[in-house]
Amino acid sequence: DTAVSQTPKYLVTQMGNDKSIKCEQNLGHDTMYWYKQDSKKFLKIMFSYNNKELIINETVPNRFSPKSPDKAHLNLHINSLELGDSAVYFCASSQESGDNEKLFFGSGTQLSVL
Amino acid sequence: DQQVKQNSPSLSVQEGRISILNCDYTNSMFDYFLWYKKYPAEGPTFLISISSIKDKNEDGRFTVFLNKSAKHLSLHIVPSQPGDSAVYFCAARYFGNEKLTFGTGTRLTIIP
Repeated sequence: DTAVSQTPKYLVTQMGNDKSIKCEQNLGHDTMYWYKQDSKKFLKIMFSYNNKELIINETVPNRFSPKSPDKAHLNLHINSLELGDSAVYFCASSQESGDNEKLFFGSGTQLSVL
Repeated sequence: DQQVKQNSPSLSVQEGRISILNCDYTNSMFDYFLWYKKYPAEGPTFLISISSIKDKNEDGRFTVFLNKSAKHLSLHIVPSQPGDSAVYFCAARYFGNEKLTFGTGTRLTIIP
């Protein structure tokens, strides 16, 4: 009964492939996020959705496309994967947008692009 | 552009002693600061926060100090326990902007 679960935990793929990471939260939260932790350990927000509406869209290549079929799910699709996309991707959720103190993170997806 | 810096990648402290984790920031617009704790194979979890109108906030064994003039904050853990071994991230934001800017983390190891 994990609060924020993301799959897969590990993803190894070739350059140029298209892949998806799924995220689900069972907390009843209205807002979901994707964060990226790069090789230098910086943790940066990529997107946030509130009730399926895009709220934050950072300067991210348009090869990255989030999709929120309902407020409990926020999936991340990545097209034409590049070496630089290798990172740990964290999904998170909160009841309200910007409620940083009650931000619940998933355990992360380690993406390795070869 | 590293607006939040944690210059110590790692720190080892004896159990029972005080752990002090430091964080510096460059953006003077930041007015709210948070610390998150992360265990291996888990996502970060919120630990403690402080608003710029305060210079100290305490929660049990954890105290955060803010020095606005120096653009510096620190997290004190006393007494340190083995379960405190984790990576600690400092984060900041400013009013009207809900996005958090994170530091790169400090790995704290508590030695029994």
